[in-house]
Amino acid sequence: GAVVSQHPSWVICKSGTSVKIECRSLDFQATTMFWYRQFPKQSLMLMATSNEGSKATYEQGVEKDKFLINHASLTLSTLTVTSAHPEDSSFYICSARVPGFSRDLETQYFGPGTRLLVL
Amino acid sequence: GQNIDQPTEMTATEGAIVQINCTYQTSGFNGLFWYQQHAGEAPTFLSYNVLDGLEEKGRFSSFLSRSKGYSYLLLKELQMKDSASYLCAPSDSNYQLIWGAGTKLIIKP
Repeated sequence: GAVVSQHPSWVICKSGTSVKIECRSLDFQATTMFWYRQFPKQSLMLMATSNEGSKATYEQGVEKDKFLINHASLTLSTLTVTSAHPEDSSFYICSARVPGFSRDLETQYFGPGTRLLVL
Repeated sequence: GQNIDQPTEMTATEGAIVQINCTYQTSGFNGLFWYQQHAGEAPTFLSYNVLDGLEEKGRFSSFLSRSKGYSYLLLKELQMKDSASYLCAPSDSNYQLIWGAGTKLIIKP
């Protein structure tokens, strides 16, 4: 199946700093990538949809200036949490859609996730 | 509105069969996905149904009835490693996946 990587897997930072998370599709070109956040024992929450070469589409309630998304190439999307605060501590997961890879044209393949802890 | 209904938690015995049901309501429909999520990990893709009927993949099978807004995931020959949350995620008219909290499956020896 399609492989998606994320880096870093863990990050601990001080309040007020910015953190960048990378999401890479390793064996395919992903025209669309998604960023999710998941709090313990809760469902996945879509933050934004990222299309290569264009601005990300953010879900209602997600601050664009706080969660900066860049999808500069067909294999890389980045999420930057700016001026992080303790309430931003969560599990951040990216996924990539693989059009044409299989009959399941809309299947999303997930990266392993990044745990962010803001002190 | 859009919503998904799955049992919060189920318990089954190693070697047995378990069926996880899912009912959904979405604005439009472009198929339904099942994902497995182990504690502390990201979801992994299990199956996709877009037509009515049963899709079989090894020990896992998934069924869809579009008219009833109903799907189930059937797991056979349960193994301890199958202990995880199982997420039913229908795709709406914009191809957005709708996520619920999933069903936590506990396998006992």
